Amino acid sequence: GQQLNQSPQSMFIQEGEDVSMNCTSSSIFNTWLWYKQDPGEGPVLLIALYKAGELTSNGRLTAQFGITRKDSFLNISASIPSDVGIYFCAGRRTSYDKVIFGPGTSLSVIP
Amino acid sequence: DVKVTQSSRYLVKRTGEKVFLECVQDMDHENMFWYRQDPGLGLRLIYFSYDVKMKEKGDIPEGYSVSREKKERFSLILESASTNQTSMYLCASSFLAGGRTGELFFGEGSRLTVL
Repeated sequence: GQQLNQSPQSMFIQEGEDVSMNCTSSSIFNTWLWYKQDPGEGPVLLIALYKAGELTSNGRLTAQFGITRKDSFLNISASIPSDVGIYFCAGRRTSYDKVIFGPGTSLSVIP
Repeated sequence: DVKVTQSSRYLVKRTGEKVFLECVQDMDHENMFWYRQDPGLGLRLIYFSYDVKMKEKGDIPEGYSVSREKKERFSLILESASTNQTSMYLCASSFLAGGRTGELFFGEGSRLTVL
């Protein structure tokens, strides 16, 4: 079935560094979503994207809907310890399709 | 803010027991979902519902059933729990129509251990 690929699988960074991660699909999507899951909690929606090329920010987080509509990117600037968690991308091909999730990127921030 | 509440954060059950996981949302969402999350496998959809008394199988429905008697409540049932159902279970909800139907709101999760 349809799958999303996320990279990197895990990251260990120093506090204050910027972070970049991406998500790719073999199909064209009309919606991209980015979630963060804190340890022991449910995922929380960070950013939703609905148009190719769209660039949306939420505080220190910025996400982009790729021009090809087959990828999306998430950047975190000036990381802090509370950024630790798993970041999931999710998307769907049409408004009638189910949302599918990537396997996640695990982020660790070293103080 | 959307609130999705799962009845139990942690459960320990024995093989063969019947298990109920309850989920309630307060945003009048039509869609409700049950996922399980396992390391390395991400989130996998078990069942979803788009209306009261309606249910659709997701990607891994075997060994599970669901019930939706009221719009705000969606229950996941394990008729006879097995050890391979040890997992984190996540409930989510969303709107049925409109531009934001893809935005799922999750509960805190229920970690089930089957001994």
